[in-house]
Amino acid sequence: AQSVTQLGSHVSVSEGALVLLRCNYSSSVPPYLFWYVQYPNQGLQLLLKYTTGATLVKGINGFEAEFKKSETSFHLTKPSAHMSDAAEYFCAVSGTGGGNKLTFGTGTQLKVEL
Amino acid sequence: DAGVIQSPRHEVTEMGQEVTLRCKPISGHDYLFWYRQTMMRGLELLIYFNNNVPIDDSGMPEDRFSAKMPNASFSTLKIQPSEPRDSAVYFCASSLGGLSNQPQHFGDGTRLSIL
Repeated sequence: AQSVTQLGSHVSVSEGALVLLRCNYSSSVPPYLFWYVQYPNQGLQLLLKYTTGATLVKGINGFEAEFKKSETSFHLTKPSAHMSDAAEYFCAVSGTGGGNKLTFGTGTQLKVEL
Repeated sequence: DAGVIQSPRHEVTEMGQEVTLRCKPISGHDYLFWYRQTMMRGLELLIYFNNNVPIDDSGMPEDRFSAKMPNASFSTLKIQPSEPRDSAVYFCASSLGGLSNQPQHFGDGTRLSIL
């Protein structure tokens, strides 16, 4: 069984400040990990994914995430927040056992203030 | 390239009516997923198909819900009869291949309101 925990349902940062959104996972098999972003009235868009190889993954819009097996974490970061980053962010996990079924976290709403 | 297309974008109907949501996946994708999103329950997987065949429908809440995929380019999610608690945003997503490292591509959703 797999699960994802996103700490903090709401995060607020100032424009230009560091963005850190936390995600911890539980998986009985080596995981594949994803971050998605959802803008208002839109579907989810893939930000980045970790499958194998390099543990620091770079995605779109300046976001990156680091897979830390020892901490079972996959936190999302961006060095400098922009107003356009305001959205809801979802972490998701799938197993290597085949099939594309994703287990999503409950989401973190990011607010960016001037 | 065209993404996942869902219709209608908004649907308002009265309790007891039949509701049909439609989805056109990305051409060539062989997996299709239906999700429901609410404030209370977040994002829930309802059912998914592989090569038009339902693989896992354990998330379908009740017999009032049914989903079909008659061909590789079209799927429907039907609610009959509809109830106010079915109000939610319903998303369709598609992906390519059976490996778990392939991302899902989402449509913009159908916002359903049952009065």
